[in-house]
Amino acid sequence: DTEVTQTPKHLVMGMTNKKSLKCEQHMGHRAMYWYKQKAKKPPELMFVYSYEKLSINESVPSRFSPECPNSSLLNLHLHALQPEDSALYLCASSQVRTSGRAINEQFFGPGTRLTVL
Amino acid sequence: AQKITQTQPGMFVQEKEAVTLDCTYDTSDQSYGLFWYKQPSSGEMIFLIYQGSYDEQNATEGRYSLNFQKARKSANLVISASQLGDSAMYFCAMREGLYGGFKTIFGAGTRLFVKA
Repeated sequence: DTEVTQTPKHLVMGMTNKKSLKCEQHMGHRAMYWYKQKAKKPPELMFVYSYEKLSINESVPSRFSPECPNSSLLNLHLHALQPEDSALYLCASSQVRTSGRAINEQFFGPGTRLTVL
Repeated sequence: AQKITQTQPGMFVQEKEAVTLDCTYDTSDQSYGLFWYKQPSSGEMIFLIYQGSYDEQNATEGRYSLNFQKARKSANLVISASQLGDSAMYFCAMREGLYGGFKTIFGAGTRLFVKA
């Protein structure tokens, strides 16, 4: 299995709703990432988990709450979002290399297109 | 600070011809990795090719090759024999450090259009 899956594919939510995005991989990767991508822009890193521990938080507002319940799953909990949070949210995973030729490419999921009304 | 520059917002190429997508980078690190990703309209980012800063030979993966010129800090992607399915957004990206680094920054991207 060489894919990253994300659910849902599309999500429309109001500013008072609480929702969650889910990401799953079964490649044995121990690093997982959340990116936000606005239209016609490159992805922007939000969070990185390494061995199920939060490794990087790129000063993301607290209305986004990540969770890594196990080595295969990554969630992004959403609460009280703003319309400007509408974007494509991409999940990715990679090996964690500490020696050898560290290609360390990230495998991306298809993304969740989020619309906040 | 790291920076990736892709100066071509859009490129056109005739089917079956080769095309070069430009990428320049800036970093003060000696160890770094350079990546190219393809993003079709469906949204998924697809890894294409990797070049490590200490790799002496240019990377190749099928129809993709990376023209790595370290002194010029450029890492251009060459696609040979373009196909209609190559129409997509292409991102150049860099990760500082060769081992265990997680932070990858992306260039603004180049939209490639392949004409029949």
